[in-house]
Amino acid sequence: ILNVEQSPQSLHVQEGDSTNFTCSFPSSNFYALHWYRWETAKSPEALFVMTLNGDEKKKGRISATLNTKEGYSYLYIKGSQPEDSATYLCAFDGGTASKLTFGTGTRLQVTL
Amino acid sequence: SQTIHQWPATLVQPVGSPLSLECTVEGTSNPNLYWYRQAAGRGLQLLFYSVGIGQISSEVPQNLSASRPQDRQFILSSKKLLLSDSGFYLCAWSRNAPREGYTFGSGTRLTVV
Repeated sequence: ILNVEQSPQSLHVQEGDSTNFTCSFPSSNFYALHWYRWETAKSPEALFVMTLNGDEKKKGRISATLNTKEGYSYLYIKGSQPEDSATYLCAFDGGTASKLTFGTGTRLQVTL
Repeated sequence: SQTIHQWPATLVQPVGSPLSLECTVEGTSNPNLYWYRQAAGRGLQLLFYSVGIGQISSEVPQNLSASRPQDRQFILSSKKLLLSDSGFYLCAWSRNAPREGYTFGSGTRLTVV
């Protein structure tokens, strides 16, 4: 059973704060690491797919880094806005099967 | 463009009743198809995946089953629901390998009473 963990489980920040959270995954048999944003009452939406050690991806105020040797990825949100409130999921692709193993998610709430 | 449809959106079913959730994909052929469940307080758990018609892989033993009668149709079923089957069910598709990530359906909230 693959262990994909995310921390913290939940996070409450104020508008304008920058924040980050962590995804840890097996460092062996790594193929790709995915990040999704899941807003309430909507479908999870793909943010990033990261494949190379040291990779850094950016989409607006959201960025992510990847360390495959130690098995972790960070997601950063700069200047949080209320519309960033969502659950952020990471998913591990071990490259040996047609499936992703998801973490339990970090629930972010941004208030005014 | 590709779209994925999942229905129904919500469902309340008594214990022991059957279940059928349907998922269809448009705009692509031979997709990989997946059923995930999120139980209360837990992450997304892969239930079944399929890489082709009639090919179903089960990830966890349970009283659910899946079928893929057509290339772009994926059905989740149960003959007799349990209380523990309550949760949020998501269908997803990906291209031949999930390196590009999944596109998810809108989900079904199932409450077994």
